[in-house]
Amino acid sequence: ELKVEQNPLFLSMQEGKNYTIYCNYSTTSDRLYWYRQDPGKSLESLFVLLSNGAVKQEGRLMASLDTKARLSTLHITAAVHDLSATYFCAVEASGGSNYKLTFGKGTLLTVNP
Amino acid sequence: NAGVTQTPKFQVLKTGQSMTLQCAQDMNHEYMSWYRQDPGMGLRLIHYSVGAGITDQGEVPNGYNVSRSTTEDFPLRLLSAAPSQTSVYFCASRINTEAFFGQGTRLTVV
Repeated sequence: ELKVEQNPLFLSMQEGKNYTIYCNYSTTSDRLYWYRQDPGKSLESLFVLLSNGAVKQEGRLMASLDTKARLSTLHITAAVHDLSATYFCAVEASGGSNYKLTFGKGTLLTVNP
Repeated sequence: NAGVTQTPKFQVLKTGQSMTLQCAQDMNHEYMSWYRQDPGMGLRLIHYSVGAGITDQGEVPNGYNVSRSTTEDFPLRLLSAAPSQTSVYFCASRINTEAFFGQGTRLTVV
């Protein structure tokens, strides 16, 4: 059974600071996804990571994937208040074509002025 | 292009009542799924479908039924609602690596 662990679950940071959210998973995976969710809203796709060593960046967010370590990171650079949200990683197990995603519990990020 | 449309947005049920959460997509995606989101639990897969006429169970299927008679629609049925089914429900459709989530249905069972 695929398990996905995110940490930290809660992150309070000051504007301008850097921080990293970690996503560990338990079995071989082909694909890893990062989503953002604002309170009361749906999920917004941020990144799709498809291979070992993949790195993607959008604005102040950068995601990377190490399939050998079964680890993905979401790095936040010079945080701003608008980044306050819950961030989820989701993993799709290898070998299947049924697109089943297993989600982490989410990281609630609060960026304070 | 409406994407993934869920109805209703909010619903209150009494224990033992049944209801159907509707999900429709207009992107001709074969793969659709239902998740529930509970505080501190992330999203958990309830049921999914890889095409019309094909459905399968996810991680937490008990108490829910699905059917897929058309590519566009994937309704989720609660047979006899229980307070443990109080949650936010998301429907998603997907093609390759791109998933589209509906706006969610917030269900309260009293």
